[in-house]
Amino acid sequence: GEDVEQSLFLSVREGDSSVINCTYTDSSSTYLYWYKQEPGAGLQLLTYIFSNMDMKQDQRLTVLLNKKDKHLSLRIADTQTGDSAIYFCAASGGPGAKLIFGQGTELSVKP
Amino acid sequence: GAGVSQTPSNKVTEKGKYVELRCDPISGHTALYWYRQSLGQGPEFLIYFQGTGAADDSGLPNDRFFAVRPEGSVSTLKIQRTERGDSAMYLCASSPTGGGGDTQYFGPGTRLTVL
Repeated sequence: GEDVEQSLFLSVREGDSSVINCTYTDSSSTYLYWYKQEPGAGLQLLTYIFSNMDMKQDQRLTVLLNKKDKHLSLRIADTQTGDSAIYFCAASGGPGAKLIFGQGTELSVKP
Repeated sequence: GAGVSQTPSNKVTEKGKYVELRCDPISGHTALYWYRQSLGQGPEFLIYFQGTGAADDSGLPNDRFFAVRPEGSVSTLKIQRTERGDSAMYLCASSPTGGGGDTQYFGPGTRLTVL
């Protein structure tokens, strides 16, 4: 079955860019998602990308997809302390399909 | 409008007891999902409902776990003979149709602790 992997920790300075990486194994994954989880809060969808796209930009967020290498990244420009959270990459095979999550990357933003 | 709500927010029980966790999806959403998140891990899929029926229950770990959605809205996850290993955050999500690219909106979760 699908396996999604992420690095566990990332630490950046406020104002720098953050890049969170994710790899997945199932080439039939149709949709790839980034969720944010803050302590005591539910999962918040940040953005998603369809597998026929290479890039998607939404304000400070840029998602890059390399289908050949099955690699997904999330870039956060001008990272703020409020961006400190755990970021989850998730893959889905299509309609009604369950989300397969990575183990999450804890982003720490230092002032 | 109101998001996905889950009750209770915390549940502490003793090993061997029966528990029920409730999920109220966003009004009008036909698709409903249950996930389980252990500490330090990503959420793991348990079951997916389309309307009243369980369309995919492949993630339920064993027959102690059961979920229902009798009227196609509220769902209840039921765990019999709880074990300490069942301790986790149980997350519910709903989406408008369950179609491809549909956004799944998550509730705040129920933290279950089995003593």
